[in-house]
Amino acid sequence: NAGVTQTPKFQVLKTGQSMTLQCAQDMNHEYMSWYRQDPGMGLRLIHYSVGAGITDQGEVPNGYNVSRSTTEDFPLRLLSAAPSQTSVYFCASSTNSGKGTEAFFGQGTRLTVV
Amino acid sequence: EDQVTQSPEALRLQEGESSSLNCSYTVSGLRGLFWYRQDPGKGPEFLFTLYSAGEEKEKERLKATLTKKESFLHITAPKPEDSATYLCAVQGAGFQKLVFGTGTRLLVSP
Repeated sequence: NAGVTQTPKFQVLKTGQSMTLQCAQDMNHEYMSWYRQDPGMGLRLIHYSVGAGITDQGEVPNGYNVSRSTTEDFPLRLLSAAPSQTSVYFCASSTNSGKGTEAFFGQGTRLTVV
Repeated sequence: EDQVTQSPEALRLQEGESSSLNCSYTVSGLRGLFWYRQDPGKGPEFLFTLYSAGEEKEKERLKATLTKKESFLHITAPKPEDSATYLCAVQGAGFQKLVFGTGTRLLVSP
């Protein structure tokens, strides 16, 4: 059981370039989300999805797009990369229940924008 | 607005020296408080979920407790392999999103 898989693990972009961070889960979880982790700031929510075809913005959505065409996949697109988007990005998934349920995280993508 | 504050930022222990990590929180309608472990270069790994004040959970040398304002992660007789960053997060009534603290970096020396 692979859990949550993110690709690539490392990426270097030039300012203005675009790219897509991939995220796939094989646990049939309804809820998926993207976080970024920066030193001294903790994990911050970028975008989330409660199911295929439904997405919404989190705390820091500017400069990012998402779509959810299947239950398994939730890609994150950087439209025009900026140095401020240098960070470690984590994808997570969880079941969508009334009680708090734990999220399962991928191994992360370390992105550097130069 | 939901908030989580963790202390200390960093903690250095000798092997076998027990201690506690603190997570103070404010949230409207707590649905769950979560503890995660994160090793360098890896994603957060789930440890515990606590749902209501007075609840306790244990796993090996770790024990998590919860009050209405804070949670503690007690580490009993730690080993070097317990070295990691420990993250606390809350989930409020609003949605499935998690609000994280900045973590406590724990280093256990042999």
